[in-house]
Amino acid sequence: LAKTTQPISMDSYEGQEVNITCSHNNIATNDYITWYQQFPSQGPRFIIQGYKTKVTNEVASLFIPADRKSSTLSLPRVSLSDTAVYYCLVVLNDYKLSFGAGTTVTVRA
Amino acid sequence: NAGVTQTPKFRVLKTGQSMTLLCAQDMNHEYMYWYRQDPGMGLRLIHYSVGEGTTAKGEVPDGYNVSRLKKQNFLLGLESAAPSQTSVYFCASIDVGGGNSYEQYFGPGTRLTVT
Repeated sequence: LAKTTQPISMDSYEGQEVNITCSHNNIATNDYITWYQQFPSQGPRFIIQGYKTKVTNEVASLFIPADRKSSTLSLPRVSLSDTAVYYCLVVLNDYKLSFGAGTTVTVRA
Repeated sequence: NAGVTQTPKFRVLKTGQSMTLLCAQDMNHEYMYWYRQDPGMGLRLIHYSVGEGTTAKGEVPDGYNVSRLKKQNFLLGLESAAPSQTSVYFCASIDVGGGNSYEQYFGPGTRLTVT
């Protein structure tokens, strides 16, 4: 399994940009990077995926450097409703998808 | 589409009892997964299936069995429940035939308590 490491928690305020960095040092050539969001008492929800450089959708941006050993999820102008746990996953060739502990993001007014 | 559904939503078992959790998806996805999530923890992969009739072990398979007799259903069985299996169980599926999309779709979860 490609092990991922994320900060345990991050605090922010409404309107700020939140950047969460995930380390995946042993990522393989064909592996993709995905990020999920989870609210209490709900299943995780897919946010974004990427292979290299930068990917942006209506919710977030994902930055992946050339060596692909890390990735950064960027949440622009967060609101209270963005308070959640965010997970970074590396999708392996065999699709054995495992979640790490995730990063608890708390947005304050 | 209903997406991914799980039955039941809640269950209380006594130690030693058995039960089966049902996961159903109507998206024709090939791959399906069972996870457990303990309070304050991330999700841990129990078993997964890469197609009808196939299953594989995840990170924490002990004490669980699974079956994928039909493509749309993935069953998780507890033969002899233990208090350590008290958890929230999530099922998920993924479409691997639709290009380079790795989006997992999750069910609402089953909250299981073993006393």
